[in-house]
Amino acid sequence: DQQVKQNSPSLSVQEGRISILNCDYTNSMFDYFLWYKKYPAEGPTFLISISSIKDKNEDGRFTVFLNKSAKHLSLHIVPSQPGDSAVYFCAASAFRAARQLTFGSGTQLTVLP
Amino acid sequence: EAGVTQSPTHLIKTRGQQATLRCSPISGHTSVYWYQQALGLGLQFLLWYDEGEERNRGNFPPRFSGRQFPNYSSELNVNALELEDSALYLCASSLAPGGTPYEQYFGPGTRLTVT
Repeated sequence: DQQVKQNSPSLSVQEGRISILNCDYTNSMFDYFLWYKKYPAEGPTFLISISSIKDKNEDGRFTVFLNKSAKHLSLHIVPSQPGDSAVYFCAASAFRAARQLTFGSGTQLTVLP
Repeated sequence: EAGVTQSPTHLIKTRGQQATLRCSPISGHTSVYWYQQALGLGLQFLLWYDEGEERNRGNFPPRFSGRQFPNYSSELNVNALELEDSALYLCASSLAPGGTPYEQYFGPGTRLTVT
């Protein structure tokens, strides 16, 4: 049972445009959400997070939106740059679940110059 | 500040052998997590250690085990290796878990190949 789903395995976007990566979850106990970026042959790098008490968190070009009623979150990257090309993982955590992270399967973002 | 380090980078074993993977967390971090990323799949949670104790484990058989040392470094052992154990094994560390979530910071991984 996949509790965190990233339904788009890949996304291509033109440089300078907005990239929107989506993530859905099924476990209503999740109360903290994170996005990680992963380049080949490297470990995932933490990007941005959001607590369930918020619906938006912004950090530079990256904004994460959380819609609790829809159990959906999204990562917006504006403007997209070629260096953003990587696999993006959505992850979720529940306080009562000992803080382990449950990851989605990832979305490969390609930013075209 | 040094990040999470893992060794070896690559490990090739034959079926039935044992593999030992090592991880050093970021200085000041007491929690260490292990994840498996098989080809084409997302990261699957394996084990969580904090203050030398195993705090939680994922849905993996008992032949996956590990430990955490007094300096907070950690070791993952995989016994009786099977072909499907071939994967990238990632270690992450975080500050001690408490009432506030802490982000996990990942190492570069160990690529285990079982032939």
